[in-house]
Amino acid sequence: QKEVEQNSGPLSVPEGAIASLNCTYSDRGSQSFFWYRQYSGKSPELIMSIYSNGDKEDGRFTAQLNKASQYVSLLIRDSQPSDSATYLCAVTEEVVGNTPLVFGKGTRLSVIA
Amino acid sequence: EPEVTQTPSHQVTQMGQEVILRCVPISNHLYFYWYRQILGQKVEFLVSFYNNEISEKSEIFDDQFSVERPDGSNFTLKIRSTKLEDSAMYFCASSRLVGGGTDTQYFGPGTRLTVL
Repeated sequence: QKEVEQNSGPLSVPEGAIASLNCTYSDRGSQSFFWYRQYSGKSPELIMSIYSNGDKEDGRFTAQLNKASQYVSLLIRDSQPSDSATYLCAVTEEVVGNTPLVFGKGTRLSVIA
Repeated sequence: EPEVTQTPSHQVTQMGQEVILRCVPISNHLYFYWYRQILGQKVEFLVSFYNNEISEKSEIFDDQFSVERPDGSNFTLKIRSTKLEDSAMYFCASSRLVGGGTDTQYFGPGTRLTVL
């Protein structure tokens, strides 16, 4: 059974701070890693994808991957109240293809103004 | 920017009735998916579809479920005899550009199914 684990939160950070979201996965064969943001009652929206070990930065977001530790994280710098949402970690077995996404339960982030 | 669309946004049905959820994937994508999310729970994979056939399905996707691509744009999920536990948000997703690309899946806005 492939599992993706996330702390459900809520994670509360003040506006302007760095929010750190963590995720571990059980399937060592996982190749692709994604962070989705989901507002209440809405669909998952892709924030970042990462495929190789190390850091990947996109604006205020940085994804970090450590395949040896089976760990992926998302840092949000200069957090804004509009970042308040549930952040879903998802993994797949392949880089190219149509393998299903395996999602974690998500971490609820609350940015306090 | 192209996006996945889904109709209806909310469907209410009686237990035992058939429902069809509709999706229009991004036009130059090759792979299509259905996921569901029961309220307060995680997003779960139901089925993937490629080249007019099912590629993979989960344990959830039993005989009461079926998928179809009836024309060049629509992708449908049919639930033949709905149960109370089928109440959930159903998300359609698509991925993989014609000619190449990675496995990034883009989600539609979802259909909220309520079974009474």
